[in-house]
Amino acid sequence: QKEVEQNSGPLSVPEGAIASLNCTYSDRVSQSFFWYRQYSGKSPELIMSIYSNGDKEDGRFTAQLNKASQYVSLLIRDSQPSDSATYLCAVRDSNYQLIWGAGTKLIIKP
Amino acid sequence: KAGVTQTPRYLIKTRGQQVTLSCSPISGHRSVSWYQQTPGQGLQFLFEYFSETQRNKGNFPGRFSGRQFSNSRSEMNVSTLELGDSALYLCASSAGQEATDTQYFGPGTRLTVL
Repeated sequence: QKEVEQNSGPLSVPEGAIASLNCTYSDRVSQSFFWYRQYSGKSPELIMSIYSNGDKEDGRFTAQLNKASQYVSLLIRDSQPSDSATYLCAVRDSNYQLIWGAGTKLIIKP
Repeated sequence: KAGVTQTPRYLIKTRGQQVTLSCSPISGHRSVSWYQQTPGQGLQFLFEYFSETQRNKGNFPGRFSGRQFSNSRSEMNVSTLELGDSALYLCASSAGQEATDTQYFGPGTRLTVL
């Protein structure tokens, strides 16, 4: 059974601080990893994708991938109240299917 | 490019009825995936279609079925509705072949079963 694990939270972070979201996966051959953000009542939207070990930065967001540890994370710098949402980690398996974590609810406190 | 569209956006049905939901993918996308999401729950994968064939399937009962047409548009059908089928049904499309393909979501259809 392929699994993607996330801490359900809620994770509470002060405005302006760094929010750190973590995700582990069980399928060692996974090659593609995605972070989505979902606001309450809305559909998920892509934040970042990462395919190689190391860091990938896009504005205030940094994705980190460590395939040896089967671990992917998302850092949000200078957190804003508008970042309050549920963050979903997804991992694509060898059959093209996306395996989803249950999501981490992030709350940014002004 | 137009995004993923889903119709209808809202639907109210009664137990025992059946329902058909429709999804139009982004132009050029050949993969369509369907998900069920209930309040406070993550995405539950229903099935994925690629080039009119079901490529992947989740752990849902046979009451849930789908199909994909030659223009990549997809429909999902739920027969003999139960109260527990009340949920947000999300459709997502992607190009369909590369591991790096991004999946884009439609706005969802909110189904209420009374």
